Amino acid sequence: EVQLVESGGDLVQPGGSLRLSCAASGFTFGAYWMAWLRQAPGKGLEFVAQINQDGSEKYSLDSVKGRFTISRDNAKNSLYLQMNSLRVEDTALYYCARDEGRSFPYWGRGTLVSVSS
Amino acid sequence: DVVLTQSPLSLPVTLGQPASISCRSTQSLVHSDGNTYLGWLQQRPGQSPRRLIYKVSNRDSGVPDRFSGSGAGTDFTLKISRVEAEDVGVYYCMQGTNWRTFGQGTKVEIK
Repeated sequence: EVQLVESGGDLVQPGGSLRLSCAASGFTFGAYWMAWLRQAPGKGLEFVAQINQDGSEKYSLDSVKGRFTISRDNAKNSLYLQMNSLRVEDTALYYCARDEGRSFPYWGRGTLVSVSS
Repeated sequence: DVVLTQSPLSLPVTLGQPASISCRSTQSLVHSDGNTYLGWLQQRPGQSPRRLIYKVSNRDSGVPDRFSGSGAGTDFTLKISRVEAEDVGVYYCMQGTNWRTFGQGTKVEIK
């Protein structure tokens, strides 16, 4: 069974940093693109960043470029999102998802990031 | 960027009756590889999104056959043939042809 478990969310002040992690199991992690998506409270879904199988290709939302960095460790079956210079508008539930066939068939339960002073 | 517009945004339905959600794109979702990467996700209250449909009309494993997807080019539809109580939630269309973007969501509730 495919499982994706996010962690690392927290309450942080504007300008602060957080590192999100996603532990994957139940599939060959290194064979798939992976992605981070987010959902602000009461709002819709937004694609944040994606990374290819060996980490050589990365793409991210314009509003997070230069602030967020996606990475992975295939030996640890883990996906990461380093978030710097956080803004109030980054407040959201952050989901890890398997990016397959230009879609997301598997999602984690999410980890909550709150940016507030 | 590709913008997806769903309608209606709120859909009160009677149990056992059909329901239909429209998703329109600002540009064709036909990819250069010939596929159309338009899918539908369901988000039940308090849960993570769950993919129902991929590439317009392909149902994911375990998805009841009362859910169906159709459409082409820029106009797509999700239909529920007979709404059940467990179908309450927000439904999103999502395109993967050009980056990844989502519609605003349609809230399905029981009348």
